[in-house]
Amino acid sequence: GIQVEQSPPDLILQEGANSTLRCNFSDSVNNLQWFHQNPWGQLINLFYIPSGTKQNGRLSATTVATERYSLLYISSSQTTDSGVYFCAVEPRATNKLIFGTGTLLAVQP
Amino acid sequence: DTGVSQDPRHKITKRGQNVTFRCDPISEHNRLYWYRQTLGQGPEFLTYFQNEAQLEKSRLLSDRFSAERPKGSFSTLEIQRTEQGDSAMYLCASSPQGARAEAFFGQGTRLTVV
Repeated sequence: GIQVEQSPPDLILQEGANSTLRCNFSDSVNNLQWFHQNPWGQLINLFYIPSGTKQNGRLSATTVATERYSLLYISSSQTTDSGVYFCAVEPRATNKLIFGTGTLLAVQP
Repeated sequence: DTGVSQDPRHKITKRGQNVTFRCDPISEHNRLYWYRQTLGQGPEFLTYFQNEAQLEKSRLLSDRFSAERPKGSFSTLEIQRTEQGDSAMYLCASSPQGARAEAFFGQGTRLTVV
């Protein structure tokens, strides 16, 4: 089956710093989503981005489907950005999301 | 509509007991998914419904697990004869039908088997 790998696995930032999270996937996909999992376990939708670039405030994402990767940019990080970030892909000919390994982000004041 | 709703949020049960979880999807969404997440891992797919039809089940879904979506609206996930290894967060998601459809997740049900 498809492999979804995220890097880095862990990241510690000072408040105000910028960061880039990466998601690599091993096969063609229909869809790609980025989520932030809060401390209570809920997955919060950040981006639905099967291709192209989107921006939402301090966050932006780019997916290059032909090269099988996606990037999530966090600028001017805040302590509330802490948590686990997941990339999830929907492989072709399926209707389910396959999640990556996650990136644990800690933003220190 | 406030999103995907799951009940209960937390469940503690003794080994060997049966438990049932409920998921209410976003009202116009006809696809519904169950995932399981253990500590330190990403969510893993369990099963998927389109309307009332269960279209796919993971190998993770042993015969002690059963899911239903009788009228194509809410869904239940039952675990019979629970084991300690069933302790996990159970997540429900829904999405509209279509080739490119964004999925939204509920808050999850955290199960602890003692």
